[in-house]
Amino acid sequence: QNIDQPTEMTATEGAIVQINCTYQTSGFNGLFWYQQHAGEAPTFLSYNVLDGLEEKGRFSSFLSRSKGYSYLLLKELQMKDSASYLCAVRDIDDYKLSFGAGTTVTVRA
Amino acid sequence: DTGVSQDPRHKITKRGQNVTFRCDPISEHNRLYWYRQTLGQGPEFLTYFQNEAQLEKSRLLSDRFSAERPKGSFSTLEIQRTEQGDSAMYLCASSLDGIIEQFFGPGTRLTVL
Repeated sequence: QNIDQPTEMTATEGAIVQINCTYQTSGFNGLFWYQQHAGEAPTFLSYNVLDGLEEKGRFSSFLSRSKGYSYLLLKELQMKDSASYLCAVRDIDDYKLSFGAGTTVTVRA
Repeated sequence: DTGVSQDPRHKITKRGQNVTFRCDPISEHNRLYWYRQTLGQGPEFLTYFQNEAQLEKSRLLSDRFSAERPKGSFSTLEIQRTEQGDSAMYLCASSLDGIIEQFFGPGTRLTVL
């Protein structure tokens, strides 16, 4: 499994940030985005299994299976959005998640 | 409503000692997972239980690691003869058949001196 995402991103409060994730996996059964604040457990943000855009409040996630590509879009950034964002792929066996290293987003006032 | 709980939250041990961690999943969740996370990395899959059956064990788990889920409820992860390379956050997650989301616990941070 190979899952790549940028290490760090910085943005201003109120702005929009897009976190890209590319993956090469032997099997694919869905892509997840999790948010993880420092020292805390990952919390679920979104799930894509079909191509297209899924919108949930200020967060949207996009998937292109043919390109092995996803992005997470964070709108109207707030200070509390400063966290690590983890891209994860579920394998064909329907349980195991393979995670990228995470993208640390810092929101500045 | 309680989420996934893990105990202890922090463990400091000396190299060569054995340690055991406990995970209590969300009630009625039949699937339970263990992951390990080191600084600056995403969680890495270690092992998976469906009810009391351990269905997969990662190559990352040497023979020093063992996990159990004896009654299909809580689980324990034991590390024997700890090494400094075992220092990491050990995360437990649970889910229910047909529900896509895995719910993570707060983790046990292990430091091996």
